[in-house]
Amino acid sequence: EDKVVQSPLSLVVHEGDTVTLNCSYEVTNFRSLLWYKQEKKAPTFLFMLTSSGIEKKSGRLSSILDKKELFSILNITATQTGDSAVYLCAVYSGGGADGLTFGKGTHLIIQP
Amino acid sequence: DSGVTQTPKHLITATGQRVTLRCSPRSGDLSVYWYQQSLDQGLQFLIQYYNGEERAKGNILERFSAQQFPDLHSELNLSSLELGDSALYFCASSVILNTGELFFGEGSRLTVL
Repeated sequence: EDKVVQSPLSLVVHEGDTVTLNCSYEVTNFRSLLWYKQEKKAPTFLFMLTSSGIEKKSGRLSSILDKKELFSILNITATQTGDSAVYLCAVYSGGGADGLTFGKGTHLIIQP
Repeated sequence: DSGVTQTPKHLITATGQRVTLRCSPRSGDLSVYWYQQSLDQGLQFLIQYYNGEERAKGNILERFSAQQFPDLHSELNLSSLELGDSALYFCASSVILNTGELFFGEGSRLTVL
């Protein structure tokens, strides 16, 4: 059974800090790893990673994948209160929607 | 705004009742997915439809059923409701799932009393 484990489950930091969120996985047939941000309602897509060692960046957010060690990290620099959200990691192993497995998420709270 | 529309946004009902949740996918998307999100379980895949036909099934209870109509909107029917069915139900859509990227609606929050 495919498995995605995120850590920490929750994190409280001050505005301006840098945070690193972790995602490790075990899947039978890896195709891609995705990060989503969930504020009050719908998860919104952040990154999709398919290749090891290539960093994806979007503003203050960046993510990298290590396919040998089976993990990914999501970094957020110079955090702002608007970054407060649940960050979800998901792994896609192909074969339809049943091949997409989500972790339980990291609940990030940025204090002013 | 993802372009995926779900109704109703909130629903409160009693145990034993039946409810229907509705989803309109993004324009052009043929695949619709239903997920259940509860506090302790995270996002759990329920079922996927592609162009009107069931494509994949996850942890969907027998009391739950879904369908996708010719205009591609989808409905999730939940019957004989139990307290444990209280959760946020998300619909998501994509053109076709080949990368894992989904576009989620705002969700329907179901409370069973």
